[in-house]
Amino acid sequence: DVKVTQSSRYLVKRTGEKVFLECVQDMDHENMFWYRQDPGLGLRLIYFSYDVKMKEKGDIPEGYSVSREKKERFSLILESASTNQTSMYLCASSWGARNNQPQHFGDGTRLSIL
Amino acid sequence: QKEVEQDPGPLSVPEGAIVSLNCTYSNSAFQYFMWYRQYSRKGPELLMYTYSSGNKEDGRFTAQVDKSSKYISLFIRDSQPSDSATYLCASRLILTGGGNKLTFGTGTQLKVEL
Repeated sequence: DVKVTQSSRYLVKRTGEKVFLECVQDMDHENMFWYRQDPGLGLRLIYFSYDVKMKEKGDIPEGYSVSREKKERFSLILESASTNQTSMYLCASSWGARNNQPQHFGDGTRLSIL
Repeated sequence: QKEVEQDPGPLSVPEGAIVSLNCTYSNSAFQYFMWYRQYSRKGPELLMYTYSSGNKEDGRFTAQVDKSSKYISLFIRDSQPSDSATYLCASRLILTGGGNKLTFGTGTQLKVEL
């Protein structure tokens, strides 16, 4: 079974803090993704990566950055957290060239920015 | 207009009922279609994955795609309380750069009552 592990289930931070969300997958997948999930808006893609040290912007990258130094790990960084970044953050991974296979998700990190 | 539209529900049915969950999409370039199930406080898990128009069956679940009307459905037979979850449809688009992008519906909340 594919295992996508997000380091924290719940996180509370203050506005202006730099926040790191970590994601690790154990299936040697090439592709990794960060989404946020909000009521009424569904899942929205923030950033994705098809390979180590590679990153591409998704639909809502503003205020976020990512890092992929190792194949199994994909980090999402909130440079200066704001209250409108309070959300559920979901990491996903998939194998296959350029994401041509279904994505598998972690259980999410519920982030609150106070 | 969202590219993938889904009625948010909630949908409440008695145990044993046949459930029909539906999505419409607007982009005729979408090629692959998926259904994910998401339990409360968990990440989405892949249920069904299909490419062509027609039906695909897996146990109590049947996914149906009608590309001519841009309509995708998930049928659940003999519904159980354990089927209570939010169901997300997703469509995949092949990008000009060769990558793939998933677009999700906002999810339909289903409750199966004893």
